[in-house]
This record gives sequence, C-alpha cells and structure tokens, in this order.
Amino acid sequence: DTGVSQNPRHKITKRGQNVTFRCDPISEHNRLYWYRQTLGQGPEFLTYFQNEAQLEKSRLLSDRFSAERPKGSFSTLEIQRTEQGDSAMYLCASSLVWAGDPQFFGPGTRLTVL
Amino acid sequence: QQQVKQSPQSLIVQKGGIPIINCAYENTAFDYFPWYQQFPGKGPALLIAIRPDVSEKKEGRFTISFNKSAKQFSLHIMDSQPGDSATYFCAATVDSNYQLIWGAGTKLIIKP
Repeated sequence: DTGVSQNPRHKITKRGQNVTFRCDPISEHNRLYWYRQTLGQGPEFLTYFQNEAQLEKSRLLSDRFSAERPKGSFSTLEIQRTEQGDSAMYLCASSLVWAGDPQFFGPGTRLTVL
Repeated sequence: QQQVKQSPQSLIVQKGGIPIINCAYENTAFDYFPWYQQFPGKGPALLIAIRPDVSEKKEGRFTISFNKSAKQFSLHIMDSQPGDSATYFCAATVDSNYQLIWGAGTKLIIKP
C-alpha cells in the first residue's frame, strides 16, 4: 500500500494521560500536514512540515501539542495531559512541494478522551 | 476572510438525480479549490479540484463550476448512485500544498 498510513487507528485514553500518534506519508512527498476533525465538521489545520522543518503552526496547536518529523519521513503528533476537548479524529496528509500537487489523506486516528 | 461557507448541510437525492453542493469564499488570494469525499471512519479522498482560471472542470460524473466574480464554486454529481452517499467537503487554499481551509461539509444521501 503506497498511501498515507496512520497508527493507531483508534486510541482511548483517560484525561491527563499523554498520547502519541504516528503518520507515514507517501514516500516521495516532501510536505506533511496534520489536521483535526470533530464530528460533523470539516478538518482544521494544525501544522505542516516541509521535509523535517515545521513551517507553520495553527493557534489551535496549544503548548500541550507537539509535532515532529525528525528525518523528514514519518511524523509524530503528541498530546500531553489530554483533555476531553481533545477527542477528535486526527488526520495526516502529505503532498509534493510543487504547485498543483494535491494533499492525500490518511485514514486518521480517532482519539477518545474519557 | 479565511472562511469557506458550504451549503446545504445535508441533501437527499433520488438515484440518477444531480445533487449540487455550493461553496462561497471571501479571500481573493485563494487559487486552488478541491473537493473531497469522506466515508464514515475514513480520511477525506480528493475528488476533483479547480483553479480560478477556468469556469468548469469535469472528471467522470463530477463537475466543478467556478464563478470567480461571485467567489463561488459548486460540485455537481451526474447520474448519482447510492455509492455516492458520503460527506462532501469543499476547501480552498493559496497554492495546493498550503493549509487547506475547509467548508463544514454536506452529508449526501442517494436513495435507491
């Protein structure tokens, strides 16, 4: 499978715990994006990387959230001290850097914070 | 100015009908407008995208109409099928690989 993959697909955690999600982009894609989607809403941009550099972060990405892409390949999104409001689908997408190349999405990680 | 407004919120169409979903934007710097289809429990999948230098683009049964002066664009699905039942999102961005600004989605049901 050469698409974007995300792990785990589902995560249930208790409030206050830390969680980490992984995204493996399409192999030749330079750009990697994280979005958050709550039920019945469109995705909201969180952050994106070009290779290993984090180029932009949304104001939605509070200091409890951190994302890394250490070698310019896979990326991790960590949420510290989870809150019930963090419950959402976390989507990863990747694209080439050239204009006109679309973003391809993974299946998402659904987080439930109890 | 960053918003994309999508309507309707939900739509029910008989098989073979032509559902139409509309989006409007404010930011004139947007120059790439994709439509994504999302099934429950799955990530969004790109359907079709358009740039403002054309007024219409067709791919298979899916057509985007674009009105630059009105800052509106719409998705038409020809000969709709029950398998097209999904949530459809419009989006906009400055350049295709920058952050996407999404509409709220339209839940489409095609009745057999």
